Amino acid sequence: SQQGEEDPQALSIQEGENATMNCSYKTSINNLQWYRQNSGRGLVHLILIRSNEREKHSGRLRVTLDTSKKSSSLLITASRAADTASYFCGAAGNKLTFGGGTRVLVKP
Amino acid sequence: GAVVSQHPSWVICKSGTSVKIECRSLDFQATTMFWYRQFPKQSLMLMATSNEGSKATYEQGVEKDKFLINHASLTLSTLTVTSAHPEDSSFYICSATFQGQNIQYFGAGTRLSVL
Repeated sequence: SQQGEEDPQALSIQEGENATMNCSYKTSINNLQWYRQNSGRGLVHLILIRSNEREKHSGRLRVTLDTSKKSSSLLITASRAADTASYFCGAAGNKLTFGGGTRVLVKP
Repeated sequence: GAVVSQHPSWVICKSGTSVKIECRSLDFQATTMFWYRQFPKQSLMLMATSNEGSKATYEQGVEKDKFLINHASLTLSTLTVTSAHPEDSSFYICSATFQGQNIQYFGAGTRLSVL
């Protein structure tokens, strides 16, 4: 079964707005990873946050991790139409287990 | 760097035939490769993990005789869907990682349609 569950399932925003999505997982992890998938394509790694880290930034991406709540969030600031994609969290324990994903639509 | 090539990108086959999907790491030696299956608008379900030179480890519920995985070299893994049926129609994605690396590098996926 999938560990990570993501919320919301779908998100529609205007270009320039921020997009926030959340991920919950069930068991212990070594790290948590976020990936992006364009329609009909493979996944592209975005950012990894280790279990002993609380927050990490990469460009317009900000990830937080709360191991006590077994949750993580991904914030995309100043969104662009090109950010339209599905975003998946991957909880890395013994294996990488993906959540259901959040489909993000950024309208120009 | 860390490019994974997956081929074919799309295949249509008749029910009862077998289909082979290739996954190649182009610029690194992949110690471990993973095969996933994804249904429309759903997440990736791990099917199996393969290490070079050893038998693949299948996830619970995945038929190893149905989905044959071979990882003969450090740059190539293949997934063969044997005696395909319409219910096997799906998007199959491979990924690879190398020693010491936590990140998985994904192929572009293969869309399989079984008629």
